[in-house]
Amino acid sequence: AQSVTQLGSHVSVSEGALVLLRCNYSSSVPPYLFWYVQYPNQGLQLLLKYTSAATLVKGINGFEAEFKKSETSFHLTKPSAHMSDAAEYFCAVSGRGNLIFGKGTKLSVKP
Amino acid sequence: SAVISQKPSRDICQRGTSLTIQCQVDSQVTMMFWYRQQPGQSLTLIATANQGSEATYESGFVIDKFPISRPNLTFSTLTVSNMSPEDSSIYLCSVEGTGGDAYEQYFGPGTRLTVT
Repeated sequence: AQSVTQLGSHVSVSEGALVLLRCNYSSSVPPYLFWYVQYPNQGLQLLLKYTSAATLVKGINGFEAEFKKSETSFHLTKPSAHMSDAAEYFCAVSGRGNLIFGKGTKLSVKP
Repeated sequence: SAVISQKPSRDICQRGTSLTIQCQVDSQVTMMFWYRQQPGQSLTLIATANQGSEATYESGFVIDKFPISRPNLTFSTLTVSNMSPEDSSIYLCSVEGTGGDAYEQYFGPGTRLTVT
C-alpha cells in the first residue's frame, strides 16, 4: 500500500523567506511523486513531479523538490516566498493508476 | 497536458435532490477520475471511469449514491444522488497524462456543492 504524510497542516513564512513544505511517503514499489498547488476557489495545478529520473526536480513558479530514498522524503522548497505563493499544497504518490494525496499544507505568506 | 472543464462550477441544492456534474476534456483519454474534497480536507478518490466499462468505485463509495457515466473518450458525468448536507464538498474530475506525462493527472476546476 502507498501513503503520503505531510508534516504541518499550516506553514507561515515572511515574503522573501525560504519555503519548506515537508512530505514523506510510503511505497512498496519505486514511487512516482507529485506536488500540486490549489489556489483559493480553484482546482489543482501540477507543480512538479518525480518519475525516477533526476532526484532534484524543478517545477513551475521557482519551486523544486528533492527525492531522497533513504529518508523516504520529497520535500518542496522555494528560496524566496512571494505573496502569490499563498495557497494549499498537496503531495501525492501514484498508486494503482490513481493518486494518493496527503492531507495538504496551507502556506501563508506575510508581507 | 489536458484542458478540463466542469459544469456547474458551483451549486446550492436541497437535501434529497440529485445533481449531475459534467466533465469535458479537450482530448481523448482512456481513464478519468472523480475525487471528492470535503471542507478543509484532502482529496479522496470516488471512482475511476473507463470508456466502455463500468466505473470502479473505491471503498466507501457506491454506484447507487454516485452513478457515473462515460459515454465517450472526452466526457463523463458524476451524479450525487439523494443528497444530504454531508455531501457538501468540492467534486473534481481528472484525467491521466499520456506519453511523457504519464502517471500525472490533470484536474478540472472543481464543482463546489453546498447541500442545505
